[in-house]
Amino acid sequence: DGGITQSPKYLFRKEGQNVTLSCEQNLNHDAMYWYRQDPGQGLRLIYYSQIVNDFQKGDIAEGYSVSREKKESFPLTVTSAQKNPTAFYLCASSIGGEQFFGPGTRLTVL
Amino acid sequence: AQSVTQPDIHITVSEGASLELRCNYSYGATPYLFWYVQSPGQGLQLLLKYFSGDTLVQGIKGFEAEFKRSQSAFNLRKPSVHWSDAAEYFCAVGSDSNYQLIWGAGTKLIIKP
Repeated sequence: DGGITQSPKYLFRKEGQNVTLSCEQNLNHDAMYWYRQDPGQGLRLIYYSQIVNDFQKGDIAEGYSVSREKKESFPLTVTSAQKNPTAFYLCASSIGGEQFFGPGTRLTVL
Repeated sequence: AQSVTQPDIHITVSEGASLELRCNYSYGATPYLFWYVQSPGQGLQLLLKYFSGDTLVQGIKGFEAEFKRSQSAFNLRKPSVHWSDAAEYFCAVGSDSNYQLIWGAGTKLIIKP
């Protein structure tokens, strides 16, 4: 089945540590996205990539980094510079304007 | 400025009653419109979309939405809700020339037994 996978589902991190969230898609979509979701705040765009080896900052990119070395993969690194990283992170890919979502990763900073 | 407004943060509906969730948008280009649903701790699932043509669109799970250009509205409706419809619903707007979607803040639907 085609789709988007995110791993892990739950992630715990100590303060000061970097952590990388995985996102893989087998839909052959060019565009991919990372969103952050906090209670009552909807979806906020962190980074997006329209094509391999290219990506742009979204609305809340500070403290995050991404890479897009392969079409299928768009990992997100939450760095120690992100002051409040505890949140639910969603990865998506798109074609023709419609976005398809993965199941999400819940990151908790201890 | 481009924006999507979902004026209701929470809506409570009795099981079996009808439902309407409101969505208004401000967008410079011809809009593509979407409704997504999210169950707790899950990703988002597309309910329905409008790109062009018939302004009344049918989606999954018995949902429908009507595009009203003059009101910049794309309200979601269901004639009879089920307890399994309890979730958060997001409206979004985009276009064929823009990779980004503009998202509403979401409406949480609570179903009373």
